[in-house]
Amino acid sequence: EVQLVESGGGLVKPGGSLRLSCAASGFTFSNAWMSWVRQAPGKGLEWVGRIKSKTDGGTTDYAAPVKGRFTISRDDSKNTLYLQMNSLKTEDTAVYYCTTEAVAVASPVFDYWGQGTLVTVSS
Amino acid sequence: QSALTQPASVSGSPGQSITISCTGTSSDVGGYNYVSWYQQHPGKAPKLMIYEVSNRPSGVSNRFSGSKSGNTASLTISGLQAEDEADYYCSSYTSSSTFRFGGGTKLTVL
Repeated sequence: EVQLVESGGGLVKPGGSLRLSCAASGFTFSNAWMSWVRQAPGKGLEWVGRIKSKTDGGTTDYAAPVKGRFTISRDDSKNTLYLQMNSLKTEDTAVYYCTTEAVAVASPVFDYWGQGTLVTVSS
Repeated sequence: QSALTQPASVSGSPGQSITISCTGTSSDVGGYNYVSWYQQHPGKAPKLMIYEVSNRPSGVSNRFSGSKSGNTASLTISGLQAEDEADYYCSSYTSSSTFRFGGGTKLTVL
């Protein structure tokens, strides 16, 4: 059974930093492309960014609102995905979901999701 | 980059069919067959319902179907059931190697 468990959310002041983690199990993590998707309170889904498998180059792509501030990385030895968030703004307040890409289906879609972790940016 | 355009809400009675539209541009919905749909119940994580415009993952009811014409994709739910009441989001891969989501549609089963 695929499981994705996010952690690291919490309250942080504007301009601060936070690192989220996503522990993965139930599939071959090292082969998987992974994404982060967020959802502001009462709002819709917003893609944050993705990291490809090392086999496919390990490169990252980011949404414009977070580019240059957020960094996605992975530790395949720990089956863990990370999201380093710097220079946080109030508009970054959201539930952050860790998702797999193309694990269940061979297509660029978000096929498995974690339960999410809440990040609140407020003074 | 703004969200793909979805109606804010739709409603239908049990047993009826409803359709939710998702409009983008030639750089996303119209340019790729990588349109997907997600169902989200309150307080829960989204669930993949349709991928590549019209394909259903294993375990998803065949009451859910998808299609696309030009820059607009659609999700149809037939034989509406109470448990279908949820928020629905479309998503598309884009020419910038990013993803766009729709603003979401709240489905109410009357």
